[in-house]
Amino acid sequence: DAGVIQSPRHEVTEMGQEVTLRCKPISGHDYLFWYRQTMMRGLELLIYFNNNVPIDDSGMPEDRFSAKMPNASFSTLKIQPSEPRDSAVYFCASSLYAVVGQDTGELFFGEGSRLTVL
Amino acid sequence: AQSVTQLGSHVSVSEGALVLLRCNYSSSVPPYLFWYVQYPNQGLQLLLKYTSAATLVKGINGFEAEFKKSETSFHLTKPSAHMSDAAEYFCAVSGARRALTFGSGTRLQVQP
Repeated sequence: DAGVIQSPRHEVTEMGQEVTLRCKPISGHDYLFWYRQTMMRGLELLIYFNNNVPIDDSGMPEDRFSAKMPNASFSTLKIQPSEPRDSAVYFCASSLYAVVGQDTGELFFGEGSRLTVL
Repeated sequence: AQSVTQLGSHVSVSEGALVLLRCNYSSSVPPYLFWYVQYPNQGLQLLLKYTSAATLVKGINGFEAEFKKSETSFHLTKPSAHMSDAAEYFCAVSGARRALTFGSGTRLQVQP
């Protein structure tokens, strides 16, 4: 399997611009997560989906952030307008919970999208 | 609610020495516990996981961790450090919800 695929790996943009980060989860996984990593705050959960439906978006910082999962093989995280404080590495992860009794919660991570907002 | 606390943001050991990275957890339900490793400019990779089957869990690259309910701890150890072990290590807990809550991370340095 190719693993979780994220794009772009690096993005540099100017304040006020729209940013779209993309994620392709592992085929067959039914959960998808977006995390943000910064030096100050560590790894923070932004939002997660189950079977393409958002379950918990309480970690989304503010209305400038939005996430969608139009199908089982694709998700986007959008920031509009972007601000310098959004600079971080954004990780997508996926997992499989389909088998009762084998629910171990292991997440498989992509390599991340490093966002710099000037 | 669930949380993890990693004691020590930086740990330095000599090559060949014991590695001990500390993690304490808090969870309102029986937890699943994990250790992940992150190498520079990469994503997180699972080292090992505790799922209540056995309290001593063995992972990849010679790492192991012991779940101690009485101490609410899940410390990571390796008998002999290798230069390639230099990385950042994260402890994580999964409770009632599917998402993992991560600790703040411990950066391991291995001195030659």
